[in-house]
Amino acid sequence: KQEVTQIPAALSVPEGENLVLNCSFTDSAIYNLQWFRQDPGKGLTSLLLIQSSQREQTSGRLNASLDKSSGRSTLYIAASQPGDSATYLCAVPGSGGYQKVTFGIGTKLQVIP
Amino acid sequence: GAVVSQHPSWVICKSGTSVKIECRSLDFQATTMFWYRQFPKQSLMLMATSNEGSKATYEQGVEKDKFLINHASLTLSTLTVTSAHPEDSSFYICTAAGGQSNTEAFFGQGTRLTVV
Repeated sequence: KQEVTQIPAALSVPEGENLVLNCSFTDSAIYNLQWFRQDPGKGLTSLLLIQSSQREQTSGRLNASLDKSSGRSTLYIAASQPGDSATYLCAVPGSGGYQKVTFGIGTKLQVIP
Repeated sequence: GAVVSQHPSWVICKSGTSVKIECRSLDFQATTMFWYRQFPKQSLMLMATSNEGSKATYEQGVEKDKFLINHASLTLSTLTVTSAHPEDSSFYICTAAGGQSNTEAFFGQGTRLTVV
């Protein structure tokens, strides 16, 4: 059974800092890994999808890396802004393909102006 | 990428009423859809697997008579919360599988349900 852990559970940083969010998973036989953002009371916004054959993906100030062998992914946020404040979720589809997705509990980020 | 539309994005209902949430795959046929629920300060947990044309498969601890799932077509699955209680207030999200990719799940936007 896949288990996804996200560390830290919460993070508070001053504006402008670079930061790293961590996601680890127990079953390395994955096809991809996806990072989401969830604003309070809102739905999920997809940030980055990394295929298993990729090592990283970049979108603007966001960079996600994937190390399947060690069961880890990191989300790097450069030059953080108050608007980045949200909960960031890591999601891993089942090893059988698009089957059941396992979500991490998330990292709640607060960027202080 | 493929698009999954979930409706409504938020809903408030009175205790005892029923609420229907729709999950549609807009540009592909989704043979399988999954429904998740997010409890406060917990991760999204799988509730049930919805297969087109057959009964849904529920995870342990999920009341199938309370959370009715219907997957009547290849593009639509619905989740009906029956006789809603305040403890049913939660965030519900669907994912869909299918299309040209069998290794990627496509996510609805989620529905925030508040039962008063």
